[in-house]
Amino acid sequence: EAQVTQNPRYLITVTGKKLTVTCSQNMNHEYMSWYRQDPGLGLRQIYYSMNVEATDKGDVPEGYKVSRKEKRNFPLILESPSPNQTSLYFCASSSHRGGYEQYFGPGTRLTVT
Amino acid sequence: GENVEQHPSTLSVQEGDSAVIKCTYSDSASNYFPWYKQELGKRPQLIIDIRSNVGEKKDQRIAVTLNKTAKHFSLHITETQPEDSAVYFCAASKGSGRRGNQFYFGTGTSLTVIP
Repeated sequence: EAQVTQNPRYLITVTGKKLTVTCSQNMNHEYMSWYRQDPGLGLRQIYYSMNVEATDKGDVPEGYKVSRKEKRNFPLILESPSPNQTSLYFCASSSHRGGYEQYFGPGTRLTVT
Repeated sequence: GENVEQHPSTLSVQEGDSAVIKCTYSDSASNYFPWYKQELGKRPQLIIDIRSNVGEKKDQRIAVTLNKTAKHFSLHITETQPEDSAVYFCAASKGSGRRGNQFYFGTGTSLTVIP
């Protein structure tokens, strides 16, 4: 089954404790992206990647890191999480040949206390 | 960067009526405009999209119109049904070049279809 997976789905952590949210897709998509969703603000792009070893900042990259060492994986790293990073995070992927439709993962609910 | 504004933020319609959601964008270089539907607790899913070389696109009860001159695009849902109740997001992207595939989303419209 073609899908985008994220882990963990739920995470409660404390300020300053490094964490990684994993994202994987099995559709051989070149493009992958991370978004955060906050009430009243919609979806805001954090980082995106056009291909392996090619990443770019989105609209709200501060406090986040990403890497794209393999085509299927695009982890989101929070080196020192803060309470303002409490949010719902979505990973997405698309094929350039697919006309840019993005397939979203199930989301990760992160709470930083 | 791009600025996408979406209106209204909430919309209630009677079942069978039409619903219209409007978005404006600021960057005339944007050329791809998707609409996503997000049901409660679920992930966003693409329902329709349009490119800048097309003025209108239809898919059964859903249509999208694009006015490049005015820099706005709209989602039209006809004969609404209770299962259309969800949050709808518009987005804009420049689909090529170094900055290609950076997406800017609107803030969402919560649509409620009243049976």
